[in-house]
Amino acid sequence: AQKITQTQPGMFVQEKEAVTLDCTYDTSDQSYGLFWYKQPSSGEMIFLIYQGSYDEQNATEGRYSLNFQKARKSANLVISASQLGDSAMYFCAMRERSGAGKSTFGDGTTLTVKP
Amino acid sequence: DAGITQSPRYKITETGRQVTLMCHQTWSHSYMFWYRQDLGHGLRLIYYSAAADITDKGEVPDGYVVSRSKTENFPLTLESATRSQTSVYFCASSESSGTNYNEQFFGPGTRLTVL
Repeated sequence: AQKITQTQPGMFVQEKEAVTLDCTYDTSDQSYGLFWYKQPSSGEMIFLIYQGSYDEQNATEGRYSLNFQKARKSANLVISASQLGDSAMYFCAMRERSGAGKSTFGDGTTLTVKP
Repeated sequence: DAGITQSPRYKITETGRQVTLMCHQTWSHSYMFWYRQDLGHGLRLIYYSAAADITDKGEVPDGYVVSRSKTENFPLTLESATRSQTSVYFCASSESSGTNYNEQFFGPGTRLTVL
């Protein structure tokens, strides 16, 4: 079974609008961490935001926030006030307590911001 | 240079040859990882290491060998390269904490082509 599922291969958003990128995960662990990374067309991988399974508040980092719904096993990334520079591939990832430190990535969502 | 570096950045080789991709990090992070990213897809874990002299298989280890004699280096060797190993290879590192949920820092990637 896919541990991380990103159901949106591609998304479009108008500049200055907000956009939500979906991520659902599958784990039997009670303790785990969820991550979002950005990969621009230049290819590097950039860490954006982290959510721990025991965190009661949704994580926020500037224009990025994580909509964490534990019961539904979803960890959606919300980007507010989209900018042209947000056009990139976005990956959701998970590290589980039982995984001894290794992580699993989803297949990614390509976001295109329109001017 | 501070951070995490990979060499070479680009490599073309022939089927059956042995190839070694180098990864070096200056942070003394405990964890190091090797991923491959095939065109248009997410990252798949090849091998990871929790500390020097400790390595473990990831999702797609066949055809690859790793070693970690020093904390800062984590070379990946393709013993006998095949065309299916044409990919972009990313090395990453992360700190160790009680939960092992620290974010990963990625190298710039090595684009490998096997003819």
